[in-house]
Amino acid sequence: AQSVTQLDSHVSVSEGTPVLLRCNYSSSYSPSLFWYVQHPNKGLQLLLKYTSAATLVKGINGFEAEFKKSETSFHLTKPSAHMSDAAEYFCVVTPYGQNFVFGPGTRLSVLP
Amino acid sequence: SQTIHQWPATLVQPVGSPLSLECTVEGTSNPNLYWYRQAAGRGLQLLFYSVGIGQISSEVPQNLSASRPQDRQFILSSKKLLLSDSGFYLCAWSYEPGLRYEQYFGPGTRLTVT
Repeated sequence: AQSVTQLDSHVSVSEGTPVLLRCNYSSSYSPSLFWYVQHPNKGLQLLLKYTSAATLVKGINGFEAEFKKSETSFHLTKPSAHMSDAAEYFCVVTPYGQNFVFGPGTRLSVLP
Repeated sequence: SQTIHQWPATLVQPVGSPLSLECTVEGTSNPNLYWYRQAAGRGLQLLFYSVGIGQISSEVPQNLSASRPQDRQFILSSKKLLLSDSGFYLCAWSYEPGLRYEQYFGPGTRLTVT
């Protein structure tokens, strides 16, 4: 069975400071992992994906994530937060592309 | 490039009325299609998914149903809406498993049942 834990329901950072959103997963198979971002009343946008290639994955808008199998983690980072990064972020795992398991989400607030 | 459309964008319906939400995908063939519901302040709940025309799998028993009359069309329906059906409905598509695994989401429909 697969599961996703997002350790923080809400993260607040100041503009220009680093962002860290944490995600831990459980999967019986070699997983594919994704991060999505959702702005209010919008659909989900794919930020980045890990599919068993490089463990450090770069995505859009300066975000990146590192797949750490030993820690079963896939944390999302960004060196410098921007006001436009304020949104809900979802970590997602799938073992083979049919069953997608979503984390509960982390709301990121960016303070001026 | 691929595009996913949903309509309407917003909908206000009285309890007991019918519902029809439509989702269409352009630029790809034989996609997997999904309906999700997102209640206020909560995560995503998978309602239905489809791997082909007429093939629908239901994840949650409820008064909603889904149909896939064409390869790139996915419809969410209800005969009688409940207050608890209010939420943000998202349609998504993905490639056939084994090709690429990520899902792509539509813009969503905000449904308010009064």
